Amino acid sequence: GAGVSQSPSNKVTEKGKDVELRCDPISGHTALYWYRQSLGQGLEFLIYFQGNSAPDKSGLPSDRFSAERTGGSVSTLTIQRTQQEDSAVYLCASSPDSGAFYEQYFGPGTRLTVT
Amino acid sequence: KNQVEQSPQSLIILEGKNCTLQCNYTVSPFSNLRWYKQDTGRGPVSLTIMTFSENTKSNGRYTATLDADTKQSSLHITASQLSDSASYICVVSAGGNNRLAFGKGNQVVVIP
Repeated sequence: GAGVSQSPSNKVTEKGKDVELRCDPISGHTALYWYRQSLGQGLEFLIYFQGNSAPDKSGLPSDRFSAERTGGSVSTLTIQRTQQEDSAVYLCASSPDSGAFYEQYFGPGTRLTVT
Repeated sequence: KNQVEQSPQSLIILEGKNCTLQCNYTVSPFSNLRWYKQDTGRGPVSLTIMTFSENTKSNGRYTATLDADTKQSSLHITASQLSDSASYICVVSAGGNNRLAFGKGNQVVVIP
């Protein structure tokens, strides 16, 4: 079946502009995660959605970052007033549930470059 | 300090040779440890997942080991192929809502 998809695959934006990154999880997966992967660094947790529960936003680096998940499916990560340090690959993953043994399936990522 | 440390940071090996990647972690409590393979420009793909009671798990030419007492894991690649060139990421789950702690990865380059 179809895996996790993300769009766009690449995004170049000017400093100060807002960007929206989209994630389409695997159908039926209730858990959805956003991560950031900076050059030479490990994946950094940003935010997590599970069903209709309030999202875990504890990983968001600043109030310029926000995310929503509509209808328990598609998710959008928004970065306002982008800064150069926001340049990274943003990865989305989905999981059948949020338990510790459920596999997380990753999308190909969106490479964001802020000039 | 990162809770998951991997070594070596990068490695170049000849096609057909074996290699072993190391992972040390301090994550507690511990639920499971995973190894992911990430090809350039792609998302990570799971290779193995092990709980504290498992010492070894294989997936084709990939064999992972786990010592939960010393909090160490290794990933052994046998008879390497050019397609093994990738970053191998050690990931530890503390349980609960499946929050994962990621290592920075071992960058492996297989040359002919």
